[in-house]
Amino acid sequence: NAGVMQNPRHLVRRRGQEARLRCSPMKGHSHVYWYRQLPEEGLKFMVYLQKENIIDESGMPKERFSAEFPKEGPSILRIQQVVRGDSAAYFCASSPSQDEKLFFGSGTQLSVL
Amino acid sequence: GENVEQHPSTLSVQEGDSAVIKCTYSDSASNYFPWYKQELGKGPQLIIDIRSNVGEKKDQRIAVTLNKTAKHFSLHITETQPEDSAVYFCAASIGSYKLIFGSGTRLLVRP
Repeated sequence: NAGVMQNPRHLVRRRGQEARLRCSPMKGHSHVYWYRQLPEEGLKFMVYLQKENIIDESGMPKERFSAEFPKEGPSILRIQQVVRGDSAAYFCASSPSQDEKLFFGSGTQLSVL
Repeated sequence: GENVEQHPSTLSVQEGDSAVIKCTYSDSASNYFPWYKQELGKGPQLIIDIRSNVGEKKDQRIAVTLNKTAKHFSLHITETQPEDSAVYFCAASIGSYKLIFGSGTRLLVRP
């Protein structure tokens, strides 16, 4: 049973470009969470999605950031017009249902030049 | 707002000694407390967790204790080994699905 798969592992973008981060949850998991980690800090909640629904996006900036989890395919975290402050590690986690253990992927390290 | 305080930020122990990491949470409604281990370049790995109806849980060399009155929980690692060296994060639940993480403890086990 493969774990949570994230790609790419590393993503380099210039200021103003778009970043698209992908996450495939563990098999059987329909709940996906995105967290952001700045260097030397803990993870900060961004958004919680179920298939085709955004449940809670309270931790995600209202501008430039969006997330989706379509019926088919991976969950996507999209950052438009990236700025240097967006540089961070973005982790995806999944769970079989709400109020269950979260399993994290290996993350995508986004670097904005 | 809700927060989780974690101490110490760095911890260095001799192989074979015990390591203790402490966390304090602010939301009295928190009822789930996981601990994650993060190695360099990898994602957080769940190592042990505890729910609020339990005061202590043990899994081989790792144990977690919870004091709900004090809003305090701790990770105990006994007989530490070099492969235990990593960054450890505590977290507390907010509502039924959100986790608030501590700022991490970098553990170094000296051989």
